[in-house]
Amino acid sequence: GAVVSQHPSRVICKSGTSVKIECRSLDFQATTMFWYRQFPKQSLMLMATSNEGSKATYEQGVEKDKFLINHASLTLSTLTVTSAHPEDSSFYICSASQPNRGRNQPQHFGDGTRLSIL
Amino acid sequence: AQTVTQSQPEMSVQEAETVTLSCTYDTSESDYYLFWYKQPPSRQMILVIRQEAYKQQNATENRFSVNFQKAAKSFSLKISDSQLGDAAMYFCAQGNTDKLIFGTGTRLQVFP
Repeated sequence: GAVVSQHPSRVICKSGTSVKIECRSLDFQATTMFWYRQFPKQSLMLMATSNEGSKATYEQGVEKDKFLINHASLTLSTLTVTSAHPEDSSFYICSASQPNRGRNQPQHFGDGTRLSIL
Repeated sequence: AQTVTQSQPEMSVQEAETVTLSCTYDTSESDYYLFWYKQPPSRQMILVIRQEAYKQQNATENRFSVNFQKAAKSFSLKISDSQLGDAAMYFCAQGNTDKLIFGTGTRLQVFP
C-alpha cells in the first residue's frame, strides 16, 4: 500500500517552456502533498506543502509564481515550472502523507522527475 | 530551528558485516518523529525505519535497528548482515506528517 506515482520521470525541454509534473497517490487519499527539489549529491529541500482544496504553502526563497502548485483532489497534485530556464534543471520529488491517520505517518515518495532545461 | 546533521558523507562496509550511520538533530518540538530513508541509484526514496520520540524502546525492522538517545538528540541506524542491495544514500529525517527536515545524507558502499 501507500504507492505514490510521479510522472513524467524525465523531461528535456527548451528554455522558456512550462513543464507540468504530476504526483498521484494510487491507493490512499493524500490530504497533504509535498514537493522537494534535490540537486546532485545533495539532500532534499522542501519547496512547498500543498493541502487539498487550499493554496500551497511555499518555503522561504521559493518563487510561487515560478513554481505553481495545484492540489485539486485527494489523489493528485501538480507542480508546474513556468518559463523554465537552465537553472531550474534539477531532480524534483513529490511525497504524500495522511495526517488524518496520525502525526507519525511517514511521507510516501514518488520516483522523482529529472528536469533538464536546454 | 530544526536541523538534522549527518556527519558521515560516506561509509563502507563489507558484505555480512555491521555498519552504523550517525545522525543528530535539534528541535524545539515536543511531538516529533524520526525516520531513516534509503535512496538507491534509482533515486526513489524508501522508508527504512521510523521512531516515535516519545517511545524509549528502539525501533527494529529486520536487519535495521536504531539507537535513539533522546537526551543527546542522537538517532543512529545500524545495519546488520549488510547486503549488496543495501548500497545507497541514507537520509535521516526529523519531523512529523506535516513537515520533514532531512540531513545531508550518507553514501553507503557495500563491498563483497
